[in-house]
Amino acid sequence: SSELTQDPPVSVALGQTVRITCQGDSLRSYYANWYQQKPGQAPLLVIYGKNNRPSGIPDRFSGSSSGNTASLTITGAQAEDEADYYCDSRDSSGNHVVFGGGTKLTVL
Amino acid sequence: EVQLVESGGGLVQPGGSLRLSCAASGFTFSSYEMNWVRQAPGKGLEWVSYISSSGSTIYYADSVKGRFTISRDNANNSLYLQMRSLRAEDTAVYYCARQNYYYDILTGNYYYYMDVWGKGTTVSVSS
Repeated sequence: SSELTQDPPVSVALGQTVRITCQGDSLRSYYANWYQQKPGQAPLLVIYGKNNRPSGIPDRFSGSSSGNTASLTITGAQAEDEADYYCDSRDSSGNHVVFGGGTKLTVL
Repeated sequence: EVQLVESGGGLVQPGGSLRLSCAASGFTFSSYEMNWVRQAPGKGLEWVSYISSSGSTIYYADSVKGRFTISRDNANNSLYLQMRSLRAEDTAVYYCARQNYYYDILTGNYYYYMDVWGKGTTVSVSS
């Protein structure tokens, strides 16, 4: 299967740690990337590959992977982290991009 | 500043056509692979199409194959998406996104990601 399944909406208390997961068979072969999207804005890459942060992304964002599951962890969530988070990877051919359905994160 | 700016969206009737453009600046456009990604109202992200840096390799999502055509003009730093036989379900914000990659020395594989996104252009298909 080339589908990626993400968590339902998640909430986290300000300053606490939250993990968002992404599951799919393709993740056994490919790392997931993670994108943050705030209302009315374009997606923003926050984690790529095994666990790499683009310039300007706070180090409270980290990624990990095990088997068919990739995870995005926010350690010490801030109010500005409230957003939708999407994972992406490749399908079995390696040629097509597949996105997860997204997880809405609320910071309480 | 690295930037992508989409244009060409609008309201079109079912069965109609539309051509989207994406103007790139601040980087060597001809060196990068590009993608189109769309997002229907209130929905998640959906990959639409990919084109290699030279334009020689192209892929489409099954949902648009045969109706959409991706192309690029490296001399003018522009990416295009020609959309034909439009349907109501094509209604979405369309983003162009730059594809980047890195080489993982441990696995010996290349991994790809979309590191620069435009703000999007809205396509509405309705009678």
